[in-house]
Amino acid sequence: GESVGLHLPTLSVQEGDNSIINCAYSNSASDYFIWYKQESGKGPQFIIDIRSNMDKRQGQRVTVLLNKTVKHLSLQIAATQPGDSAVYFCAEIASGTYKYIFGTGTRLKVLA
Amino acid sequence: NAGVTQTPKFQVLKTGQSMTLQCAQDMNHEYMSWYRQDPGMGLRLIHYSVGAGITDQGEVPNGYNVSRSTTEDFPLRLLSAAPSQTSVYFCASSSGNTIYFGEGSWLTVV
Repeated sequence: GESVGLHLPTLSVQEGDNSIINCAYSNSASDYFIWYKQESGKGPQFIIDIRSNMDKRQGQRVTVLLNKTVKHLSLQIAATQPGDSAVYFCAEIASGTYKYIFGTGTRLKVLA
Repeated sequence: NAGVTQTPKFQVLKTGQSMTLQCAQDMNHEYMSWYRQDPGMGLRLIHYSVGAGITDQGEVPNGYNVSRSTTEDFPLRLLSAAPSQTSVYFCASSSGNTIYFGEGSWLTVV
């Protein structure tokens, strides 16, 4: 079936290093992708999004890359900080459907 | 900016009790939804609504009811709580592609 999945359930990085969190999707009809950050005890928080007509989009310290050929999405966090420790998950949707598909998440641990 | 507001934050219920989780959004979004989040399973859709007066079932609707009398409010009712409904519940809303979540309601059924 259609699914959104993450390759690494837990990622540990040193403070100051760059982090890369990956996501695979399988629905070719999806044309909009979102990354969320979820801190312990809180709701998912929107980080960045990207449309399928783009390959890359940058935000503040975050970059999302989309490779439609292999149906792969990644979130890059530059100069990872302790406050970046959280669960990150991706979501996909085909525009106009409201049918969101969420991944289970990757836990990012920032080591001091 | 309130966004999506859920109440209560925490609740303990006895098996068989009923309760309502409240959700309100102030962004005039047409789409609202309820998800439950369980360890290792990600977000699962319970019920959703694409506008006032319109509701539909999601992936795991059994044991839950919803109504959408106004654009702003989308309450989730547990009819007869069961231990399997112990979970974290998130309300969400959207006007286009980006979906925004509330802070969550932690429910324990004993």
